[in-house]
Amino acid sequence: GQNIDQPTEMTATEGAIVQINCTYQTSGFNGLFWYQQHAGEAPTFLSYNVLDGLEEKGRFSSFLSRSKGYSYLLLKELQMKDSASYLCAVENSNYQLIWGAGTKLIIKP
Amino acid sequence: DGGITQSPKYLFRKEGQNVTLSCEQNLNHDAMYWYRQDPGQGLRLIYYSQIVNDFQKGDIAEGYSVSREKKESFPLTVTSAQKNPTAFYLCASSIAGQAPYEQYFGPGTRLTVT
Repeated sequence: GQNIDQPTEMTATEGAIVQINCTYQTSGFNGLFWYQQHAGEAPTFLSYNVLDGLEEKGRFSSFLSRSKGYSYLLLKELQMKDSASYLCAVENSNYQLIWGAGTKLIIKP
Repeated sequence: DGGITQSPKYLFRKEGQNVTLSCEQNLNHDAMYWYRQDPGQGLRLIYYSQIVNDFQKGDIAEGYSVSREKKESFPLTVTSAQKNPTAFYLCASSIAGQAPYEQYFGPGTRLTVT
């Protein structure tokens, strides 16, 4: 079967750094996406990795290792508005997006 | 401003009734998708369409139907055959093609069936 695993919930402190991990087993791999979703709202695109390595975008970075089936999202200088769920999704070789259940990130002052 | 609209945001229906959720986009995207989101679970694909007048079943299509008569519109009907229809429904669109393209999401419709 195909599955995406992420921690259910994480807590971090404002101003700190947090790493959200994602491991995947899918039928092939075309790319990996990270989305942010605030409670009751639509997911919004954060980043996209196709090749191994780190992609940096301001306070957010995403890393991919295809050989290990592993990615992480790194959030720096955490702000209260970063409290949200972070969804990992992999596009498989059939061009289908397989979604993880999301990691709820709680930021404390 | 381009985007995706879904209406209504909240919808209440009695069991046994069909209900249609609307989804409109003005991003000129060829591909459109319907997902269902339940607490503690990832997004699950109901139906998708890569081009007008064509659509494909996703992982959980039973009890749902769609149409794609116009590029901009992809309405979803939740029929009385859907055993557990109460959920948050998200519509999305993207560029169609072989490269992975990000999906843009509408604000969602929360459907409650009692």
